[in-house]
Amino acid sequence: KNEVEQSPQNLTAQEGEFITINCSYSVGISALHWLQQHPGGGIVSLFMLSSGKKKHGRLIATINIQEKHSSLHITASHPRDSAVYICAGNMDSNYQLIWGAGTKLIIKP
Amino acid sequence: DGGITQSPKYLFRKEGQNVTLSCEQNLNHDAMYWYRQDPGQGLRLIYYSQIVNDFQKGDIAEGYSVSREKKESFPLTVTSAQKNPTAFYLCASSPQPTGGFGYTFGSGTRLTVV
Repeated sequence: KNEVEQSPQNLTAQEGEFITINCSYSVGISALHWLQQHPGGGIVSLFMLSSGKKKHGRLIATINIQEKHSSLHITASHPRDSAVYICAGNMDSNYQLIWGAGTKLIIKP
Repeated sequence: DGGITQSPKYLFRKEGQNVTLSCEQNLNHDAMYWYRQDPGQGLRLIYYSQIVNDFQKGDIAEGYSVSREKKESFPLTVTSAQKNPTAFYLCASSPQPTGGFGYTFGSGTRLTVV
């Protein structure tokens, strides 16, 4: 079993829909990253959070350290949001990153 | 602006050849990392370096080599011993080896063996 599980693996939605991507982890982490990877591979860091909620534009990230769960929400989704979204946790034990396999999001116009 | 520069974005190499991927940061970060991404899998750690002139193997170091002669630079060489080199490679850095203040990520290099 992977230490970081993302769901769903694939998500297709219509433009304007509210999107939720989930990240659950089984080890202790001090912080969690959300990243966006566009076709062609380039990776962009979206959020790093260790508690509560962060918001940037139409993106919202939440984390519950006790429940070992984080979510990434996209409001008013747009085709340009189509990408792979990846979560990664800073492990408490050795401070290395553990990575989810990613969620492929497609937003149809 | 400070950040990490990976070059090139796309790289093609012939089977049996060594190839070096560049990673440069101007953030004055102590620690640097190389990850590999394969389809449908999470990124995996190849090598990391916490200080200049020192580096450690990650989970999948076989077939790779690195150097850390300067704080700013952490090049990765994919050698001919790497059985399946075609992948996406990501470089990252953090202010401290603990990563406690977060990571900065490069945009990645996609390597294809032809």
